[in-house]
Amino acid sequence: EAEVAQSPRYKITEKSQAVAFWCDPISGHATLYWYRQILGQGPELLVQFQDESVVDDSQLPKDRFSAERLKGVDSTLKIQPAELGDSAMYLCASRNRDTQYFGPGTRLTVL
Amino acid sequence: AQSVTQLGSHVSVSEGALVLLRCNYSSSVPPYLFWYVQYPNQGLQLLLKYTSAATLVKGINGFEAEFKKSETSFHLTKPSAHMSDAAEYFCAVSDSEGFKTIFGAGTRLFVKA
Repeated sequence: EAEVAQSPRYKITEKSQAVAFWCDPISGHATLYWYRQILGQGPELLVQFQDESVVDDSQLPKDRFSAERLKGVDSTLKIQPAELGDSAMYLCASRNRDTQYFGPGTRLTVL
Repeated sequence: AQSVTQLGSHVSVSEGALVLLRCNYSSSVPPYLFWYVQYPNQGLQLLLKYTSAATLVKGINGFEAEFKKSETSFHLTKPSAHMSDAAEYFCAVSDSEGFKTIFGAGTRLFVKA
């Protein structure tokens, strides 16, 4: 069964450093999402792509976060510089029809 | 605007007992509704979904949920809890157009032996 891939699974960094997360959606899924999940809370949408275009990035802190999906397949989420409050799980999902499928996530710890 | 409220951040049941996790939603359009399960340090796994077909939806691992429009609810149930059901459960609502999904805050299920 096809799955959404994410790497790295865990990342520890110091504040003010740059970090990047990678996501490879299920083949053929045109819609890709990045979510941030703070411990003890539900996921919150950061950015939604349709193919290579951004559909919704209203909740993305654009002063430090950026996301791209250049060829409409895999995607990268970057944070520069990282802040203590960015410590969270970053989840990627891709959608087929009405259902989103999630990757295993990247656990970010900012020291 | 859509929203989801999960009643109870923690629920504890004994093994073999009924599991009931509550979810209420608000949506200005006919919603799609979902339940996901999350184990520690893992992504979300789809348990079941409602997409305007049958109001009683059966999912994986013996879970089911009933869509009640009059009560704006989509509660998750399982007749008999198993130790392996201990996890975090998220209810989510999505519109049928842009598929922007709003998640509840989650309910952590504890199963006692």
